[in-house]
Amino acid sequence: QSVLTQPPSASGTPGQRVTISCSGSRSNIGSNTVNWYQQLPGTAPKLLIYNNNQRPSGVPDRFSGSKSGTSASLAISGLQSEDEADYYCAAWDDSLNGRGVFGGGTKLTVL
Amino acid sequence: QVQLVQSGAEVKKPGASVKVSCKASGYTFNSYFIHWVRQAPGQGLEWMGIINPSGGGTTYAQKFQGRVAMTRDTSTSTVYMELSGLRSEDTAVYYCARPRISVSVTSSFDYWGQGTLVTVSS
Repeated sequence: QSVLTQPPSASGTPGQRVTISCSGSRSNIGSNTVNWYQQLPGTAPKLLIYNNNQRPSGVPDRFSGSKSGTSASLAISGLQSEDEADYYCAAWDDSLNGRGVFGGGTKLTVL
Repeated sequence: QVQLVQSGAEVKKPGASVKVSCKASGYTFNSYFIHWVRQAPGQGLEWMGIINPSGGGTTYAQKFQGRVAMTRDTSTSTVYMELSGLRSEDTAVYYCARPRISVSVTSSFDYWGQGTLVTVSS
């Protein structure tokens, strides 16, 4: 059971906009910034969004993040076939002497 | 450029221990914490703990307390993660990851090792 809650799956057609939600609590999302990772099959996760809504260099502006209270979301606009991957939200949790926590992951399918 | 290079795949029997290494290069080793994250087959990411290469201080996830030890060798810029009392549920890919911001536990993981598959099987 993951500390952060994500839908297990999402889908969209090319060109569409999809959003993935991430729900937490006061001790994690409510107190710290949210990061999003993209993982393609057989590869290490790649940072997609940091500090709730910042994109690392090289990440297309089709990807955007937001946070409100104890929830966050990742939006992908202009969906492309290469966006088909697993997406994970993550944050630091201030409970239990501090720990990293992840969502269970959302598998995005481009139809 | 920043690189984290991990040791190769391991096969272990239940009850044994495994030690995975993560060699860092391209930055000042002592300035950035290293996290360990694992991923069981077909499952999500699970945070295991963090080590401060500067002083060797560690924080472990409660789930792994007593079974995990993270250490570092500053002379070779390498961190290690040793997991003991292995069971089949420990079969996973183990990743080391470096944060974006130095000496920040809350920072995002900007750099990842390539992963090390540990298989626990009798």
